[in-house]
Amino acid sequence: AQSVAQPEDQVNVAEGNPLTVKCTYSVSGNPYLFWYVQYPNRGLQFLLKYITGDNLVKGSYGFEAEFNKSQTSFHLKKPSALVSDSALYFCAVRDDGATNKLIFGTGTLLAVQP
Amino acid sequence: DAGITQSPRHKVTETGTPVTLRCHQTENHRYMYWYRQDPGHGLRLIHYSYGVKDTDKGEVSDGYSVSRSKTEDFLLTLESATSSQTSVYFCAIAQSGGTYNEQFFGPGTRLTVL
Repeated sequence: AQSVAQPEDQVNVAEGNPLTVKCTYSVSGNPYLFWYVQYPNRGLQFLLKYITGDNLVKGSYGFEAEFNKSQTSFHLKKPSALVSDSALYFCAVRDDGATNKLIFGTGTLLAVQP
Repeated sequence: DAGITQSPRHKVTETGTPVTLRCHQTENHRYMYWYRQDPGHGLRLIHYSYGVKDTDKGEVSDGYSVSRSKTEDFLLTLESATSSQTSVYFCAIAQSGGTYNEQFFGPGTRLTVL
């Protein structure tokens, strides 16, 4: 069965510093991976996805993610954090291609201190 | 929120009462999903639909039913609400065609069962 794990419940980073939010995956077959962000009292917003091709995927709001097949990881990164990046981040993996079902991780709360 | 509305946005109800949540989309997307979000669990799929009158169960479907009589509307019904169904409920949609499409989420419904 497909699954993703987000090992950190919370990540704290100072504004201006680089940030990394970790995600590891377990799949049978090719992995199709997604990152979403949730701001307080809002729905999830799509950030980026990895389907195939370049291991570095660029997404919205200056975020990027690095796909590493040997480490089965798909970590979300940003070179310089902003206070406004503070939110809940979810990693997800496609479960069923025919119906676009996704399996979500438990989420990582990113807190960026000014 | 990508042409997706959910109603009501907030609801407080009592144990044993029926509750229906509505998801409405203006994108004409084929696939629709209902999730619940709970601390420590991330998002879990309740039911999904792959077309009018075509629905199937997700990971946590017990106590829930769905209906989709029109492309634009996907209803989630709690036949007899229980306190364990207190949660935030999100609807999502995905475009037809291709197997790598991301899901887009509505703003959520906060349900409290007393």
